This record gives sequence, C-alpha cells and structure tokens, in this order.
Amino acid sequence: KAGVTQTPRYLIKTRGQQVTLSCSPISGHRSVSWYQQTPGQGLQFLFEYFSETQRNKGNFPGRFSGRQFSNSRSEMNVSTLELGDSALYLCASSSAGSANTGELFFGEGSRLTVL
Amino acid sequence: GEDVEQSLFLSVREGDSSVINCTYTDSSSTYLYWYKQEPGAGLQLLTYIFSNMDMKQDQRLTVLLNKKDKHLSLRIADTQTGDSAIYFCAEINNNAGNMLTFGGGTRLMVKP
Repeated sequence: KAGVTQTPRYLIKTRGQQVTLSCSPISGHRSVSWYQQTPGQGLQFLFEYFSETQRNKGNFPGRFSGRQFSNSRSEMNVSTLELGDSALYLCASSSAGSANTGELFFGEGSRLTVL
Repeated sequence: GEDVEQSLFLSVREGDSSVINCTYTDSSSTYLYWYKQEPGAGLQLLTYIFSNMDMKQDQRLTVLLNKKDKHLSLRIADTQTGDSAIYFCAEINNNAGNMLTFGGGTRLMVKP
C-alpha cells in the first residue's frame, strides 16, 4: 500500500510569487491535513479537509488556502510569498470520519525556500 | 490554547534505555502520539495511545500515560544509533477533527 505522497519535494520561489503543493493520501483515506514546520515555530496546523470540505483551520493568514478533490487528493496554495513562508510543509492522511480513530500518517514533505 | 511541552535534548549510550517525556494541558485529549523525524525526512508514526489506556507496548517501545498528571513518556529499550532523531509528542482532541498539537521535539543522540 503506497504511503502519503507529496509533490514537489523541493522548490525555490521568490518573494511575491505563489506556490501550489500537492498531497495524495493513502488509498481509502478521506482526511488530509496540512502542517508547516519551521525552526522557530515548530509544527503548526494549517488546515484539514475531509470529503472535499474544510473541517478545521489553523491560525494562518488568508494567503494560505487549500482544497480537496473528489479522489481525496489535496492541494495547498500560498500566494504573495514572504521570506517567512520558507518551511517544510507536511501533509497527513487519516481514514478518520467524524471522529478520530487513531492513525495519522505523514508524507515526506515539500521543502519551500523563498528568496 | 492547548500546549504540549518536551525537553529539548537527550543523550544516551547505545544499548541503554531512553526515556523521552512530554506534558500536555488539554484534558480532552483523545489520542496521544509519538512521531520520529530523521534529518530531511517527514514524520514517521511510531506509536499512539488512546486516552483511556495507561500503557502500550510495541516491540522496543513502551508508552506510559498518566492522565491525572497529563504526562506521557516514550521508553525505547536497547537504544541503537539508528534511533538518533527528533521525537515529537502530539495530542489530538476528538472535538477538533484531525488537528494535532505538537510539542517542540526532543533530539535524541545515541553514542556508540
């Protein structure tokens, strides 16, 4: 069974540009959540999608957005990039429905560098 | 908001046991997790425990949960150099979907 797949693994952008990151969850999993990891702030929750609906949102500005498709694949978008957006963006996949049932699996992440 | 705390660093000798500790504040936590992160990699799920349990064992890993004190620990028996990594404790509240709150991570260094 394939794990959580994130693309691209590495990318470099300049300030003001926008970026789209993709996450394919484990087959059969319908919940996808996104996290940002930086040395200063650690791991912070961005948002979670379940059955194409955003179920939770973290404390990030509106420049950060996401969506989920009918096949459960998810994308996140960051517009008007700032230097502080440089981070490892991690996606997690879970089979959980209305209540969490335990296992959350992460992908390898997309490392974004903003110059 | 809810908070999860871990010590920053732990150093042990190969073959010894390692104990990584974590405290949390959310009394409504339903699951607590341990993840491992190696350099340049994502998060690997090591184990998790439901909040109505007090212990879970999985091969070399033992998780202890003291719900009264909101204290979680991960014991790694016979620690190997390959166990060197950053270990993250995290909690989830069933009322908040799949939103994990992470600790800052404990860097485990295993000396040969």
